[in-house]
Amino acid sequence: QVQLVESGGRVVQPGMSLGLSCAASGFTFGSYGMHWVRQAPGKGLEWVAFIWYDGSKKYYVDSVKGRFIIARDNSKNTVYLRMNSLRAEDTAVYFCARDGRAASLDYWGQGTLVTVSS
Amino acid sequence: QSVLTQPPSASGTPGQRVTMSCSGSSSDIGSNYVNWYQQVPGAAPKLLIYRNDQRPSGIPDRFSGSKSGTSASLAISGLRSEDETDYYCAAWDDSLSGYVFGTGTKVTVL
Repeated sequence: QVQLVESGGRVVQPGMSLGLSCAASGFTFGSYGMHWVRQAPGKGLEWVAFIWYDGSKKYYVDSVKGRFIIARDNSKNTVYLRMNSLRAEDTAVYFCARDGRAASLDYWGQGTLVTVSS
Repeated sequence: QSVLTQPPSASGTPGQRVTMSCSGSSSDIGSNYVNWYQQVPGAAPKLLIYRNDQRPSGIPDRFSGSKSGTSASLAISGLRSEDETDYYCAAWDDSLSGYVFGTGTKVTVL
């Protein structure tokens, strides 16, 4: 069955960098685009970034453009999110999700918590 | 980044039909499919409806979606206690080149 497992979340200070990983299994990873979505404590869902199945195109929400980088390694069935210049407002649970039919996010990981605090 | 507008809450008694709206614009809902997600607090979201009105395997037919112009709606018929949770609409936005979520609706079963 499809499984997505995020890792890398922890407490970091403002201005620091952090990398998240999402390991996929149970499907042909290299055939699907992948998303990162975040949810601040007590808030709604916010889409963060999307990468095409082959990594050729990447899209970001305005608030992270120039600071976050989405990447993937299809040989390792893993999608990454490199987060630089972190701010308090980046504090959230970060989910990875598979891009399914009609731009739906059809499978989600359990999420990893990133806390940006001094 | 713009978001899709949903009512903050909706409620009904067991067995009733509850509906919730999702309002967008010509660049998101007006141009692309709408998807709906259910999220139990503390858990990952789950895809409920895709392509405006399609249910993934395993989603009961009590859940139905529709779209008209720049708005969409989700209906839950035969409301059950386990339906008491949060619901989000979402769509791709062509002008932003990004995915946008709704503000979320919390359903309460009275």
